[in-house]
Amino acid sequence: NAGVMQNPRHLVRRRGQEARLRCSPMKGHSHVYWYRQLPEEGLKFMVYLQKENIIDESGMPKERFSAEFPKEGPSILRIQQVVRGDSAAYFCASSRTSGGNTGELFFGEGSRLTVL
Amino acid sequence: QQQVKQSPQSLIVQKGGISIINCAYENTAFDYFPWYQQFPGKGPALLIAIRPDVSEKKEGRFTISFNKSAKQFSLHIMDSQPGDSATYFCAALGSSNTGKLIFGQGTTLQVKP
Repeated sequence: NAGVMQNPRHLVRRRGQEARLRCSPMKGHSHVYWYRQLPEEGLKFMVYLQKENIIDESGMPKERFSAEFPKEGPSILRIQQVVRGDSAAYFCASSRTSGGNTGELFFGEGSRLTVL
Repeated sequence: QQQVKQSPQSLIVQKGGISIINCAYENTAFDYFPWYQQFPGKGPALLIAIRPDVSEKKEGRFTISFNKSAKQFSLHIMDSQPGDSATYFCAALGSSNTGKLIFGQGTTLQVKP
């Protein structure tokens, strides 16, 4: 009964490169959320997706960031032309229902992006 | 209005003592308040949660106290153990926000043996 799986766990990119972070939700979960954690800070909501749909992307930067959750395969958070300020831990969470009723989100172990 | 303010930023407690972490919020639309525990290098894990229709919820050594009128809630860890050393985040969720948890800044707890 695997939990939320994220990969890669660690990713190093140079400025201007692209970063792709992948998330497989828990079995039976169709709701995925991405959060970003900067050093010494709490988690900030980025985007909420269901299969093939973006439900809420109010926390996503307007440029360079995109997310998808295709019908088949993992959810992907894509960061184009990375800058040093993108260095952070990116956490994916999933829930069985919309999560709005219980807040019971199950988090992965995160992908730590370092931009040189 | 969307903020959740958490204090203290760090806390050191002796083994067996009580650890207390406080949070305050502004948005009265929040109606679900979970606490998450995060160990270094790991993702946050749900610890305990409360809704504003109750003033207290206890699960083992962990208790949430909730003061709706003051818009404050706190986590109490009784008989703190070295294994409790972690970062704790309070959070809030509005009924109209599906999964959009608003997190506090976190409290790093160190329990000394």
